[in-house]
Amino acid sequence: SQQGEEDPQALSIQEGENATMNCSYKTSINNLQWYRQNSGRGLVHLILIRSNEREKHSGRLRVTLDTSKKSSSLLITASRAADTASYFCAPSRNAGNNRKLIWGLGTSLAVNP
Amino acid sequence: SAVISQKPSRDICQRGTSLTIQCQVDSQVTMMFWYRQQPGQSLTLIATANQGSEATYESGFVIDKFPISRPNLTFSTLTVSNMSPEDSSIYLCSATGTGGHTGELFFGEGSRLTVL
Repeated sequence: SQQGEEDPQALSIQEGENATMNCSYKTSINNLQWYRQNSGRGLVHLILIRSNEREKHSGRLRVTLDTSKKSSSLLITASRAADTASYFCAPSRNAGNNRKLIWGLGTSLAVNP
Repeated sequence: SAVISQKPSRDICQRGTSLTIQCQVDSQVTMMFWYRQQPGQSLTLIATANQGSEATYESGFVIDKFPISRPNLTFSTLTVSNMSPEDSSIYLCSATGTGGHTGELFFGEGSRLTVL
């Protein structure tokens, strides 16, 4: 199975600062997704990056992927209190089956006003 | 995109009873999944709900404990049977969008079960 491991486990920053979270995985992948989970609620998809992509942007989010290091990072710029949540990466080896998404423990981000 | 409604959102249950969680998607989706998230833990896939046939269970999960139905492309139920305190968890329904299997997963808001 393919599991992403997020680092750090917890991160606390002030509003307006940037937040960087990292994800490492062990085997080759087809794509990697990032999700956000507000406390005790469902997950929300943030961004998907394919193995042939190195960087992707979506609003204040920037995701990078380094397949040689088997790692990805999620950068949230100009953070807001509403960004407080847990963030999960989900690497996938299979292009055709989301069943193979294995979830790590996530990074718990606290943005202090 | 797809909007997923799950109910109940939370419940407190007695040991030995069973509870059925419903999941309704506002559009036809290709695949639906049920996850469990125990306190402080990540998501664990329970099973893939197959339309019109038996669900596909992951290792460690069995049909007798977690019977699942999916009568059509937009609706599924998960029953947690003969509950014990160890079943206290958030149960999440998710689905792939109509864009294909590599697309994003959509999630319901979760059902938080507490078993006394």
